[in-house]
Amino acid sequence: AQSVAQPEDQVNVAEGNPLTVKCTYSVSGNPYLFWYVQYPNRGLQFLLKYITGDNLVKGSYGFEAEFNKSQTSFHLKKPSALVSDSALYFCAVRDINSGYSTLTFGKGTMLLVSP
Amino acid sequence: DAGVTQSPTHLIKTRGQQVTLRCSPKSGHDTVSWYQQALGQGPQFIFQYYEEEERQRGNFPDRFSGHQFPNYSSELNVNALLLGDSALYLCASSLRGTGLTDTQYFGPGTRLTVL
Repeated sequence: AQSVAQPEDQVNVAEGNPLTVKCTYSVSGNPYLFWYVQYPNRGLQFLLKYITGDNLVKGSYGFEAEFNKSQTSFHLKKPSALVSDSALYFCAVRDINSGYSTLTFGKGTMLLVSP
Repeated sequence: DAGVTQSPTHLIKTRGQQVTLRCSPKSGHDTVSWYQQALGQGPQFIFQYYEEEERQRGNFPDRFSGHQFPNYSSELNVNALLLGDSALYLCASSLRGTGLTDTQYFGPGTRLTVL
């Protein structure tokens, strides 16, 4: 069975500072990894995904994520946070060996960026 | 290019009633997945439809059923509603046949409240 852990319920950062939102995963085979963001009373918005290749993946709105196979992690990063980045962030995994395209999500991390 | 749309936005039902939620996928997509997001939790996979058939199912009881139409739109039906069915129901669409690398794009969700 596949699973995702987001160890921090909330991350606080000041505007202009770098941010990191942590994610670790567990799959039996090779993973496809995704980050989504959810604004209040909205659905999930796709940010980026890791399929294969370069371990550093660049996505929307200046976000990037680093895949680390040995640590089974896929942390979301941004060099300079904006107040408008404040939202709920979800990491998700797909086990490609399962043969199915469904996603398993973490519980989410609330990012709060202060002015 | 229209994204994923869902209706209704909000719904209030009483225990024991039945509910139908609707989803229209993003233009060009042929696969629809449904997720339940309880308060404070990440989305949980309910089932996925492709070619008008249920292709995979998560750990949800038979009270949850669905349908996909020839135009790829989909319905989620829940019978004998329980208080615990109160949640945000998310529809996601994707294009099958991309070797499991497909990205799922989410709609805004339907907020179901069971009293």
